[in-house]
Amino acid sequence: EPEVTQTPSHQVTQMGQEVILRCVPISNHLYFYWYRQILGQKVEFLVSFYNNEISEKSEIFDDQFSVERPDGSNFTLKIRSTKLEDSAMYFCASSPGRESSYNSPLHFGNGTRLTVT
Amino acid sequence: ELKVEQNPLFLSMQEGKNYTIYCNYSTTSDRLYWYRQDPGKSLESLFVLLSNGAVKQEGRLMASLDTKARLSTLHITAAVHDLSATYFCAAEPSFNNDMRFGAGTRLTVKP
Repeated sequence: EPEVTQTPSHQVTQMGQEVILRCVPISNHLYFYWYRQILGQKVEFLVSFYNNEISEKSEIFDDQFSVERPDGSNFTLKIRSTKLEDSAMYFCASSPGRESSYNSPLHFGNGTRLTVT
Repeated sequence: ELKVEQNPLFLSMQEGKNYTIYCNYSTTSDRLYWYRQDPGKSLESLFVLLSNGAVKQEGRLMASLDTKARLSTLHITAAVHDLSATYFCAAEPSFNNDMRFGAGTRLTVKP
């Protein structure tokens, strides 16, 4: 079964550094998402992306965050200047679309654990 | 903003017992999802509920949706240890695709 893949699985960075988290969504999916989960806590929505632009973003997704689909397969989340509180598990997800697959859940990757020191 | 509340947040139950997890959401929602998460793992989709009165069952788990009450339930029948995990409900508003999660219910099934 096709799956969403994320790299790296674990990223350690120093406060103030830029990080890019990478995701390869399922190939025929049209909607892409980033969520984060601080250890043992709630899964928080960051951003959704459709048709090469952001469709929704949460209050967490401030100017330090950006997303990009640089080619036909990758979907990236960039954090420009990391803070200690950015330490979390970041999940990428994709779905086929709202109309064509009304019954489809989001498919999640295995996550990237970001540790900011 | 759509808010999703689950209860209980922690549930410890014995094998063979039944229990229900509740999920309330605050605004009109097109879809309600249930996910399972094992420690350190990703989110695995269990159910997608689309309409009022929808009921879906998979093994010992059964999910239902009441859109008028803005309530979904996940019922566990005759629990077994393998069901130990964190269960999340998530709702998606009718007007966008911004899916919001509940806080999760950490289920522990004891022998």
